Parts: sequence; structure tokens; C-alpha cells
Amino acid sequence: DTGVSQNPRHKITKRGQNVTFRCDPISEHNRLYWYRQTLGQGPEFLTYFQNEAQLEKSRLLSDRFSAERPKGSFSTLEIQRTEQGDSAMYLCASSLAQQETQYFGPGTRLLVL
Amino acid sequence: DAKTTQPNSMESNEEEPVHLPCNHSTISGTDYIHWYRQLPSQGPEYVIHGLTSNVNNRMASLAIAEDRKSSTLILHRATLRDAAVYYCILSQSNTGNQFYFGTGTSLTVIP
Repeated sequence: DTGVSQNPRHKITKRGQNVTFRCDPISEHNRLYWYRQTLGQGPEFLTYFQNEAQLEKSRLLSDRFSAERPKGSFSTLEIQRTEQGDSAMYLCASSLAQQETQYFGPGTRLLVL
Repeated sequence: DAKTTQPNSMESNEEEPVHLPCNHSTISGTDYIHWYRQLPSQGPEYVIHGLTSNVNNRMASLAIAEDRKSSTLILHRATLRDAAVYYCILSQSNTGNQFYFGTGTSLTVIP
């Protein structure tokens, strides 16, 4: 399967701990997006990369959040000093810059206790 | 942020057509209209997208109003596997094409 993959699929952590999620996009997709989804809501845009450049960050992305895509392939999303309000599904999507369709991964579900 | 309005929920009988409406009165000329669906604990799945003309694919049809302020996703024969939350999304292809989701329509298919 050559779709978008995300790891881990589930993460339980204690408040105040740091967590890191990984996203592997579809090969050769130069755009990569991160979204967050809380229960009963649609996904919310967090940030996106074109190749290794982070081109936009939502105001939802507080300074405790950082995302990287060092070689323009996989990406990581780190949350420092987690809070209970960070509990959500974190979704990654990828696309080609010249195409409109985004392909989503299965998500990482985070629970902060 | 581009905004869309959808009914919270809809029901359909199995093997009957389903018309899922979406209003996007603030759409701009370069915005694409996308439809995705999502099952519980899964990522959104692409259904269809369009700009101005109606679109058909193996999953569904997309009917876009002439003024582009509304659109309708048409599932020609609903199956139990079509039960999901359906999202209508606008994106601006001339910027980052990021998606701004609403709360979607939860479709129930009755056997």
C-alpha cells in the first residue's frame, strides 16, 4: 500500500509530557498538511509544507507545537508540555502542488491524561 | 477561511439515490469544491471535486449551481458502506490549497 502512513496510530501520555508524531506522505507528493480533529468536529488545518519549506501555520498552532519536514519527505509534529485540550486525532495529508486532491492518512489519536 | 453549510444529518434507504446539499455563498472564483467522507476512527476519504462544471466519477456525481454558491453530492444508489460523515470543503488553489472543513453531514443508510 503506497498511501499516507502515520505513526503511532494511538498515543496516551500524561499532561506535561512531550509527544512526537510521524507522517510519511505518498511518494513524490511535495505538499504535506497537518490537521487536528476533536470529537464531533471536522478536521482543522494546522500547517502545511511544500517540499521542506513550512509555508503556512494556523493560529491554532501554539508555540508548544512544532512541525518539521527536513528532507521534503516525511514530517514530524511535536507537541511540548501536552495539555488535556491537546487530546484529538492528528491527521496528515499529502498532495502534488499542481493538483487539488489531498490524500489523508489514518491519523494518530492522542489522549492526554 | 472559506465556509460551507451542510445539514447535520440525513437518512436514506439502501439502494436509493441520495442528494447531499452544501451551501457556500462566499465562494470565490478560484475556489475548488471538494467532497470527502469519513468513517469513525479513519482519515477522510476523497469522493469528488470540481470547479465550475458538474463532475462524475465511479463513486458519485457533483452538481454545481450556475452561480457556484451551492453544490450537491449525489450518490446514485446508497449502500450500507456509504454511511459516513460527508464533508463539503472549499480550497483556494492559488494559495496553499489547505482545506477548511465544516461539521459535515452524517449520513445514515437504512437497510
